Amino acid sequence: EAGVTQFPSHSVIEKGQTVTLRCDPISGHDNLYWYRRVMGKEIKFLLHFVKESKQDESGMPNNRFLAERTGGTYSTLKVQPAELEDSGVYFCASSQDGLVGNTIYFGEGSWLTVV
Amino acid sequence: TQLLEQSPQFLSIQEGENLTVYCNSSSVFSSLQWYRQEPGEGPVLLVTVVTGGEVKKLKRLTFQFGDARKDSSLHITAAQPGDTGLYLCAGVAFYGGSQGNLIFGKGTKLSVKP
Repeated sequence: EAGVTQFPSHSVIEKGQTVTLRCDPISGHDNLYWYRRVMGKEIKFLLHFVKESKQDESGMPNNRFLAERTGGTYSTLKVQPAELEDSGVYFCASSQDGLVGNTIYFGEGSWLTVV
Repeated sequence: TQLLEQSPQFLSIQEGENLTVYCNSSSVFSSLQWYRQEPGEGPVLLVTVVTGGEVKKLKRLTFQFGDARKDSSLHITAAQPGDTGLYLCAGVAFYGGSQGNLIFGKGTKLSVKP
């Protein structure tokens, strides 16, 4: 069974440009999460989808970030326009349900460098 | 803002030694998880603890959740080079947020030398 897959694995863009990150969750997982880790900091939660609905988007830093999950399958996270402080690794994760103790499976991450 | 303070940040030990990693907060968590992450990969869940005072064992790894649900520890007995990696604790806030709204510690980078 395929795990959580993310694309691209690495991206280098200039400040002001747009980048779109894609995540394919494990098949059948209704819950999809986005996290990010910037240099020297801890991993931080961005948002949580249940199917195509945003269940919790309390971690989204500002309106330059737009996450979508049309059709409740794959998700995209767009950063527009990108700023230097957006550099870091963006993790996507999925789980079958959102209950306590349910395993959350992480992808390998998308490394973003804004120059 | 809820924080999880993880210590130590770095740990370098010889094969066969024991070690303990700590995760502390002033906030109460409804559950706490421990993850292990290797370079170039995402975190992999090791265990979830839910009840205050709970102890869970996974082979040579022992996880404990504090009675007040504010802290946790990971103890490794007779560490092996294969245990090398980044260990992360992550908690779910007691009030509000989804189960995936995890608050992570910064991690403990463990290196076990043969």
